[in-house]
Amino acid sequence: DGGITQSPKYLFRKEGQNVTLSCEQNLNHDAMYWYRQDPGQGLRLIYYSQIVNDFQKGDIAEGYSVSREKKESFPLTVTSAQKNPTAFYLCASSYKGGSTEAFFGQGTRLTVV
Amino acid sequence: AQSVTQLDSQVPVFEEAPVELRCNYSSSVSVYLFWYVQYPNQGLQLLLKYLSGSTLVKGINGFEAEFNKSQTSFHLRKPSVHISDTAEYFCAVSDTFTGGGNKLTFGTGTQLKVEL
Repeated sequence: DGGITQSPKYLFRKEGQNVTLSCEQNLNHDAMYWYRQDPGQGLRLIYYSQIVNDFQKGDIAEGYSVSREKKESFPLTVTSAQKNPTAFYLCASSYKGGSTEAFFGQGTRLTVV
Repeated sequence: AQSVTQLDSQVPVFEEAPVELRCNYSSSVSVYLFWYVQYPNQGLQLLLKYLSGSTLVKGINGFEAEFNKSQTSFHLRKPSVHISDTAEYFCAVSDTFTGGGNKLTFGTGTQLKVEL
């Protein structure tokens, strides 16, 4: 089945550690996105990529990094510079163009302990 | 910049009653509008979308929404809700990044709680 796979579903991190969240899609979409979700704040865009080997900062990129070495993969690293990393992280992908819908993965819940 | 306002953070409703979830958007250009649903600890699933044409859009699970350009609204409705409709609903407006891609701006969500 086509779709977006995020792993792991739950992740615990100690303060001061970097952690990488995985996102893989087999929908042949060019564009991929990372969102952060906090209660009562909706979804906020962290990074997006429209083509392999290129990515752009979203609204809240500080403390995060990404790579796009393959069309299918868009991993997100939460670095120790992110002051408040505990959140629900959602990966999405779409064809190019504003009229196309975005497809979402099942999310990764990151907790800093 | 685009923005989306969902006027109600929580909407309680009894099963089989009608419901309306309100959404207003702000944009100076033509927009594409979406409603997504999120069940607990899951990703978002598309309910329906407005791109152009008829202002009444029908989606999955019996939901529909009406685009009103003069009021800049895109309210979601269902004539009779079921307990399984309990979820969080997000309204979103879309624009296109330079070079393609889909910039979605989300509202803060409305938690629909269906009670017996």
